[in-house]
Amino acid sequence: DAMVIQNPRYQVTQFGKPVTLSCSQTLNHNVMYWYQQKSSQAPKLLFHYYDKDFNNEADTPDNFQSRRPNTSFCFLDIRSPGLGDAAMYLCATSRGRGSRTEVFFGQGTRLTVV
Amino acid sequence: GQQVMQIPQYQHVQEGEDFTTYCNSSTTLSNIQWYKQRPGGHPVFLIQLVKSGEVKKQKRLTFQFGEAKKNSSLHITATQTTDVGTYFCGSGGGADGLTFGKGTHLIIQP
Repeated sequence: DAMVIQNPRYQVTQFGKPVTLSCSQTLNHNVMYWYQQKSSQAPKLLFHYYDKDFNNEADTPDNFQSRRPNTSFCFLDIRSPGLGDAAMYLCATSRGRGSRTEVFFGQGTRLTVV
Repeated sequence: GQQVMQIPQYQHVQEGEDFTTYCNSSTTLSNIQWYKQRPGGHPVFLIQLVKSGEVKKQKRLTFQFGEAKKNSSLHITATQTTDVGTYFCGSGGGADGLTFGKGTHLIIQP
């Protein structure tokens, strides 16, 4: 049973056209993350939420925004996608406060910018 | 999460040979988590280490956390083709955010 669900699996968008990626979870976890992963590289943390508290990584471009309307859903908005934003975007969750909790990943959305 | 360095970046082995990847930090780590990502897949949690000198085993995989909690290793005995993928170490998780090392790509030649 899928626990972290990302839609769509593949997304093609035009250069400069806003795009939204979606993530939902059935685990009722407090923490939700968005990662960007480019080919043959490690996932790079963009931001994460603890409940509604938003934590932005220092080097995350302003072009990337996120929303978490409730516990189950989280969205990644890319306001003006550039060619360099083509990547796999991974949503993930973990339980509770503290650093000692397993992170569960969704299958990712592969974004292509044309 | 805290920054971690991981080596090697790529490792080619013959099937049946052993494999080791290393994770290092300049600061004391609160924890280490290890993940495996198959080609085309997403990272999947393998294990977490939190205690100084901790050693954990999962079948052919052995995980170690250094005494100073600044380094960790993953060792696979007698690799199989199913072990192919990228192995990431990371520190943090939960409310701190999980920061990954660059990963080690394991390539197995039959």
